[in-house]
Amino acid sequence: EPEVTQTPSHQVTQMGQEVILRCVPISNHLYFYWYRQILGQKVEFLVSFYNNEISEKSEIFDDQFSVERPDGSNFTLKIRSTKLEDSAMYFCATSYEQETQYFGPGTRLLVL
Amino acid sequence: GDSVTQMEGPVTLSEEAFLTINCTYTATGYPSLFWYVQYPGEGLQLLLKATKADDKGSNKGFEATYRKETTSFHLEKGSVQVSDSAVYFCALYTQGGSEKLVFGKGTKLTVNP
Repeated sequence: EPEVTQTPSHQVTQMGQEVILRCVPISNHLYFYWYRQILGQKVEFLVSFYNNEISEKSEIFDDQFSVERPDGSNFTLKIRSTKLEDSAMYFCATSYEQETQYFGPGTRLLVL
Repeated sequence: GDSVTQMEGPVTLSEEAFLTINCTYTATGYPSLFWYVQYPGEGLQLLLKATKADDKGSNKGFEATYRKETTSFHLEKGSVQVSDSAVYFCALYTQGGSEKLVFGKGTKLTVNP
């Protein structure tokens, strides 16, 4: 069964550094999303992406964050100048028709 | 805005016990409802869904019925197994509204042998 994959599974970085989280969507999916889950809290929406542009973003998704599909297959989330409070599990999700979203296993980011 | 409220956990049961995890929602539109499961160390997996009132979603022995009159989507299983130990998330998606899934806080279930 096709699945969403994410790399790396874990990332440790120093405050102020840039990180790039990668996702490989299910091949025929058209809609892509990033969510995050701070330890012990709800899963929160960050951004949705369709047709090579952002279609919706949350108030969390400020200028520190960016997304792109650099090669038509990978979908990446870049976090510039990481802060301590960016430590979380980051999930990529993809969908063929928007409603039913399939999640990857997540990247656990720790900012020191 | 749209929101999902789940019963507080953790929930601890013995194997073969009956499980109910309550979920209620508030939505401005007419949402589709989902249960996702997160096994230890893994990502979110879609467990079941329902898209309209009185629909029943089911998978792996779990069931949930979309109750519009009570704005609820409670998860049930008749006989839990140790392998069902996980965190369960209720979520909604509203067609024609925001593109995002709105999640509840999650309920941790532990099943003891």
